[in-house]
Amino acid sequence: GENVEQHPSTLSVQEGDSAVIKCTYSDSASNYFPWYKQELGKRPQLIIDIRSNVGEKKDQRIAVTLNKTAKHFSLHITETQPEDSAVYFCAASRSTGFQKLVFGTGTRLLVSP
Amino acid sequence: DSGVTQTPKHLITATGQRVTLRCSPRSGDLSVYWYQQSLDQGLQFLIQYYNGEERAKGNILERFSAQQFPDLHSELNLSSLELGDSALYFCASSPTGGSDTEAFFGQGTRLTVV
Repeated sequence: GENVEQHPSTLSVQEGDSAVIKCTYSDSASNYFPWYKQELGKRPQLIIDIRSNVGEKKDQRIAVTLNKTAKHFSLHITETQPEDSAVYFCAASRSTGFQKLVFGTGTRLLVSP
Repeated sequence: DSGVTQTPKHLITATGQRVTLRCSPRSGDLSVYWYQQSLDQGLQFLIQYYNGEERAKGNILERFSAQQFPDLHSELNLSSLELGDSALYFCASSPTGGSDTEAFFGQGTRLTVV
């Protein structure tokens, strides 16, 4: 079955720096890759997603890149702010049928003022 | 507020017991997913239902079972509980059964087995 590996497990940056979180997936048929943010004590919430027909997608300070050949996708956060501190989860799935969304193990991002 | 309601928010029970966790999806959503999140762990997919039928299954233990009712709410039943079952259990819903749409998560039920 699908396996998603996520690195690093923790990431500490200074406010204003960029942060990059990387994920690899095993199922070459996967074509939907969302990213979820989970603040302490709260539920995961979708922040951005990408489908395999594009290589990059941006939304303000957040961007996601996808390399289908390498089965690798990354989350990029620029100009980090303390409120970006949270656990970020990548996920992968096939977009057809009732396929389960498989999550990475999460990255705890800490942005220091 | 995601529109997904989970009850109870907290549950403390003893080993060997059985509990039921309840989830009401967003209005109009047909698909319900259950995830387990242990301390400092990721989100482990347990099971998915679509319009009352089981559609996908993850590493769900045989001691666990779930169902989705005609009104689309879902229940996750955990039996013969062990200490290791202590975790945050999330329910999520989406409009369709396809996994390429946003899944909206509830606030979770924190289960503590003592």
